[in-house]
Amino acid sequence: GAVVSQHPSRVICKSGTSVKIECRSLDFQATTMFWYRQFPKQSLMLMATSNEGSKATYEQGVEKDKFLINHASLTLSTLTVTSAHPEDSSFYICSASRAGLNTEAFFGQGTRLTVV
Amino acid sequence: TQLLEQSPQFLSIQEGENLTVYCNSSSVFSSLQWYRQEPGEGPVLLVTVVTGGEVKKLKRLTFQFGDARKDSSLHITAAQPGDTGLYLCAEPLSGGYNKLIFGAGTRLAVHP
Repeated sequence: GAVVSQHPSRVICKSGTSVKIECRSLDFQATTMFWYRQFPKQSLMLMATSNEGSKATYEQGVEKDKFLINHASLTLSTLTVTSAHPEDSSFYICSASRAGLNTEAFFGQGTRLTVV
Repeated sequence: TQLLEQSPQFLSIQEGENLTVYCNSSSVFSSLQWYRQEPGEGPVLLVTVVTGGEVKKLKRLTFQFGDARKDSSLHITAAQPGDTGLYLCAEPLSGGYNKLIFGAGTRLAVHP
């Protein structure tokens, strides 16, 4: 069964509103999780590293004020898309790994965000 | 940041055919992973290759890592419709297998 769960799987929101996406590790603790974005028919692009108890680290070109990341517990990271616009419509995917070197990254099932 | 080039970008074949997809870089990979992603889902790890020249098999899938660790291939024998999906190669960064840089992917369609 899934070891990383994302919620919701699909969301439609109006322009200007904010949307929160949750990523949970189900049977292990994850001090670090990662958020990716995938446009239609394209590959995954790393957005940011979510660090439990500290600020997220964002990849170049990703607006930290636009994509707020909170990693308040060892099993939950949230990504909030603030003041969403149609160009933010995308497939957002998180990943998490068990502690240890070279452990496998498990991906959530993704969240399809559509901003209308 | 290393760029991973995948080819072909698209592949449409009939059931029973063989195929090979490639992942290349101008730099040496620390290690390389192959994933398969179905529409509307997250990617699932198929294999990790670490040693130059390494060959790994997963049922009808054969993965090779180039001797110089700059390229890798995925060969599927007797493709089936269930093999349809997006095949992605990815390089782990930061010394672990958690933070990944993905190639552009090969979108495979296997028709009955």
